Amino acid sequence: GAGVSQSPSNKVTEKGKDVELRCDPISGHTALYWYRQRLGQGLEFLIYFQGNSAPDKSGLPSDRFSAERTGESVSTLTIQRTQQEDSAVYLCASSPGQGTTGELFFGEGSRLTVL
Amino acid sequence: EDQVTQSPEALRLQEGESSSLNCSYTVSGLRGLFWYRQDPGKGPEFLFTLYSAGEEKEKERLKATLTKKESFLHITAPKPEDSATYLCAVRNAGNNRKLIWGLGTSLAVNP
Repeated sequence: GAGVSQSPSNKVTEKGKDVELRCDPISGHTALYWYRQRLGQGLEFLIYFQGNSAPDKSGLPSDRFSAERTGESVSTLTIQRTQQEDSAVYLCASSPGQGTTGELFFGEGSRLTVL
Repeated sequence: EDQVTQSPEALRLQEGESSSLNCSYTVSGLRGLFWYRQDPGKGPEFLFTLYSAGEEKEKERLKATLTKKESFLHITAPKPEDSATYLCAVRNAGNNRKLIWGLGTSLAVNP
């Protein structure tokens, strides 16, 4: 597709349930990032992929969060046993090359609400 | 600790009224300062990259400048379609994959 695609755009879940968020990066972009944007807070880095390896997982807030990527394509972010503090917009971004330029192409995000 | 502070938090302008947004940063070895625009319900959209003090970049009514401690985003004769949240981010020498973001300035331009 022309841009980064994320699904679902909105997800409402009950506390304790697992959720999966999907990201389709721009074709040919080898670098992929997940960020979290909570209301009133700055974007929070979660994880970075180069191809299908994740050299930087330092932002994952707990072991309830995991992510994987298939080749240089789709990535899924999984949150297990969701908590209310997980409510946020989860943004995916991709970039070409090694991802060092700072020019990231973002999707529209997945808004997660945990009741 | 690396930090990015943006001011003001919110700014309301009349169409044609020029102004500037500020991004102050504290970072160990700046490896780039980035400006993004974010519209409601959308992801951030890249605007500019600045690497060294004295550097300037322009795009339409926007001009970004950089000093050793801060960056300014100057908006000349803004139009209502410039209304958005403007985000500033930096990259440090230790991790050149991870951006550190400010909270943004919410700009409203009235017709």
